[in-house]
Amino acid sequence: SYVLTQPPSVSVAPGQTATITCGGNNIEGKSVHWYQQKPGQAPVLVINYDRDRPSGIPERFSGVNSGNTATLTITRVEAGDEADYSCQVWDSSSDHPGVFGGGTKLTVL
Amino acid sequence: QVQLVESGGGLVKPGGSQRLSCAASGFTFSDQYMSWIRQAPGKGLEWISYISKSGSTKYYGDSVKGRFTISRDNAQKSLHLEMSSLRAEDTAVYYCASSTKWGGSFDHWGQGALVTVSS
Repeated sequence: SYVLTQPPSVSVAPGQTATITCGGNNIEGKSVHWYQQKPGQAPVLVINYDRDRPSGIPERFSGVNSGNTATLTITRVEAGDEADYSCQVWDSSSDHPGVFGGGTKLTVL
Repeated sequence: QVQLVESGGGLVKPGGSQRLSCAASGFTFSDQYMSWIRQAPGKGLEWISYISKSGSTKYYGDSVKGRFTISRDNAQKSLHLEMSSLRAEDTAVYYCASSTKWGGSFDHWGQGALVTVSS
């Protein structure tokens, strides 16, 4: 089955840029979606189809997908961005196609 | 606005059964693909089941296949998850989520329902 690999944690100072990666075999051939989850809350979609921002998501959030790595970038990081971020793809070649990465805890120093 | 509300969570004994429901409002439910996603305490998200708009196509994750059954009632705008042969490792918050495209992103999520499997 398809595997997505994320770093367990990323730390960044306020105002700086956070980069969270999501690795998968030839992941550029799939659409990658990113979710933000704050403690005690349900996940929220922040990037879909590699680079699209749903309505209401700040422009500070962006995504790219190339080769074996998809990347979520958050510029001008704020304290309120501290959360878990998970990537997700749909592996249409599988009979259990929904796949999430293990999640990355973003800490704002 | 779109709202998904799960119900049916609670404490269940190992080997027991539980039925989760998800009530949808604020959008055309029959136009949405629906999924169940769970999160064990302190762990990441795990996709467990998916159903097409009509209900004719269903997928399950390996960890629940043969034990869980997803279904939907478009007239009642509701999604269900029948869980049987429950194990301690099924303890998790269960979320329902909607997608506008087959295999697309999970655009909207419910608040989650906690299922605890313990004797």
